[in-house]
Amino acid sequence: NAGVMQNPRHLVRRRGQEARLRCSPVKGHSHVYWYRQLPEEGLKFMVYLQKENIIDESGMPKERFSAEFPKEGPSILRIQQVVRGDSAAYFCASSHGTGTNHNEQFFGPGTRLTVL
Amino acid sequence: AQSVAQPEDQVNVAEGNPLTVKCTYSVSGNPYLFWYVQYPNRGLQFLLKYITGDNLVKGSYGFEAEFNKSQTSFHLKKPSALVSDSALYFCAVRGSGSARQLTFGSGTQLTVLP
Repeated sequence: NAGVMQNPRHLVRRRGQEARLRCSPVKGHSHVYWYRQLPEEGLKFMVYLQKENIIDESGMPKERFSAEFPKEGPSILRIQQVVRGDSAAYFCASSHGTGTNHNEQFFGPGTRLTVL
Repeated sequence: AQSVAQPEDQVNVAEGNPLTVKCTYSVSGNPYLFWYVQYPNRGLQFLLKYITGDNLVKGSYGFEAEFNKSQTSFHLKKPSALVSDSALYFCAVRGSGSARQLTFGSGTQLTVLP
């Protein structure tokens, strides 16, 4: 019974490069959320997606960041032209989409991005 | 806007003693409240949630939490702490509206001393 899977677990990029973070939700879950955790801080919401749709991206920086959850395949969080301030742990979570909004979210192990 | 406060960055307790990790919240409408635990270099693991009903919620690993509407609190408790409970604990809230994202507190590092 696989949980949320994220890869890579660790990613090192130089300033100006692109970072692609992948998330495969729990089987049967149709809702995906991305959160960012800066050092010594709690998790901050970035974006909420359902299959092929961005539902809420109110926590996503307006530039350089994008997310998708295609019909087939994992959800992707893409960061273009990374800067040192993007260094953080990025967590993906998934939940059921049964019409209620109080289902718990299941979290992946995170991708730790380091920008040199 | 919704928010969560965890007033203690660090809680230390001796093994076998009861533990409490504090959480207060602010949200429009009825709150949905969650506790998660994070071990080093790992993702968050779900412990328990309050949606409605009994104010005392029981969760995984012997943890429980008490919802107090008048004090807008949702403190995490365990009657007898274990060294293996040492971890980072996060309280989270979601309002009963259409928004589904969780708002997290800043976390409380629990250390259980042998």
